[in-house]
Amino acid sequence: NAGVTQTPKFQVLKTGQSMTLQCAQDMNHNSMYWYRQDPGMGLRLIYYSASEGTTDKGEVPNGYNVSRLNKREFSLRLESAAPSQTSVYFCASSEASQGVGQPQHFGDGTRLSIL
Amino acid sequence: KQEVTQIPAALSVPEGENLVLNCSFTDSAIYNLQWFRQDPGKGLTSLLLIQSSQREQTSGRLNASLDKSSGRSTLYIAASQPGDSATYLCAVLPWGYQKVTFGTGTKLQVIP
Repeated sequence: NAGVTQTPKFQVLKTGQSMTLQCAQDMNHNSMYWYRQDPGMGLRLIYYSASEGTTDKGEVPNGYNVSRLNKREFSLRLESAAPSQTSVYFCASSEASQGVGQPQHFGDGTRLSIL
Repeated sequence: KQEVTQIPAALSVPEGENLVLNCSFTDSAIYNLQWFRQDPGKGLTSLLLIQSSQREQTSGRLNASLDKSSGRSTLYIAASQPGDSATYLCAVLPWGYQKVTFGTGTKLQVIP
């Protein structure tokens, strides 16, 4: 039972490079989320998708774009990576279309370093 | 704006001790509160979910309580073991479609 799967697990980029973080869930959840986790800052929401076909900004969306490809997959794209985007990125999903308020299930994270 | 605080930031206890982790939140209009465990270099593992209509939830040696009126939740760990060493995070899940707010966590070390 895979749950939430994130790829890649680790990535090193140079400033200005672009990349896409992938996330897929097999729990038939409507809502999906992207967070970043930084020391002393806790988890901060980047973008979320309440349901297939919709996306909305979270607390720290600048420098990122997302795509809800289908019900299972939600990708996060860094168009021009900056050192400030060095972080651990987590994808999560939850059950209901009301999304928030329902328990969240997390992937193992992507550790991203921008040089 | 909801603010979630977890104190202490770090805690070290000898094996076998019972302990309490605290989570405080400023806005009592919450739907659920979820406790997570995070091991170093890993993702978040859900431990317990307390709905706003409940006052506590239990799973094995873990018991979580919720007092909305005082804006507090506690996670009680009985008979702590070295394997309990991890960072524990609480998350407040609000009514309606708003974002989840996480605490910054309590890093627990259980010494054999």
